[in-house]
Amino acid sequence: GQQVMQIPQYQHVQEGEDFTTYCNSSTTLSNIQWYKQRPGGHPVFLIQLVKSGEVKKQKRLTFQFGEAKKNSSLHITATQTTDVGTYFCAGPGYGGSQGNLIFGKGTKLSVKP
Amino acid sequence: DAGITQSPRHKVTETGTPVTLRCHQTENHRYMYWYRQDPGHGLRLIHYSYGVKDTDKGEVSDGYSVSRSKTEDFLLTLESATSSQTSVYFCAIGSYLYEQYFGPGTRLTVT
Repeated sequence: GQQVMQIPQYQHVQEGEDFTTYCNSSTTLSNIQWYKQRPGGHPVFLIQLVKSGEVKKQKRLTFQFGEAKKNSSLHITATQTTDVGTYFCAGPGYGGSQGNLIFGKGTKLSVKP
Repeated sequence: DAGITQSPRHKVTETGTPVTLRCHQTENHRYMYWYRQDPGHGLRLIHYSYGVKDTDKGEVSDGYSVSRSKTEDFLLTLESATSSQTSVYFCAIGSYLYEQYFGPGTRLTVT
């Protein structure tokens, strides 16, 4: 079935270091979405990418959508302790999964001050 | 945050008992979703609704049923709770094509 895979599963960084998480889909996606979940919280929508090769920035966060629309990345420059949490990518399901968002398992980021 | 509430927020129940979780929204969204979140599995879809009385199964629907009699309410029922259903349950509204907004979650423990 349709899958969305994320790596790494965990990332531990020193405050000020950069961080990147990668997302790969088994199928071409019409769009990809990114969510952040703080410890003990609920997932919060960050951004949606739609176009092939699209790059969007939110302050220190840079999101990219691959040319083939099957992969994406989230890069955080100079991490801060406020960046701690789990980052999920998600893409629309097709066929039997139509109507669903298929989530990756997430990358858990910890930041050491 | 979008107007989504979940009740109860925490529940401890015994194996074999029925449990109903409620999701309530004030955004008049057509689509509503129930997910469960477990360590190492991320978010997995249980059931979703695309309108009043219109529901469909997700990836992990066995042992769960849902009902939606009003736009604003989406109920998730565990007919006979099992320990494997111990999890955090999130309700969400929105579309699979656009962003989804999640409720605060319900932590369910089945003993």
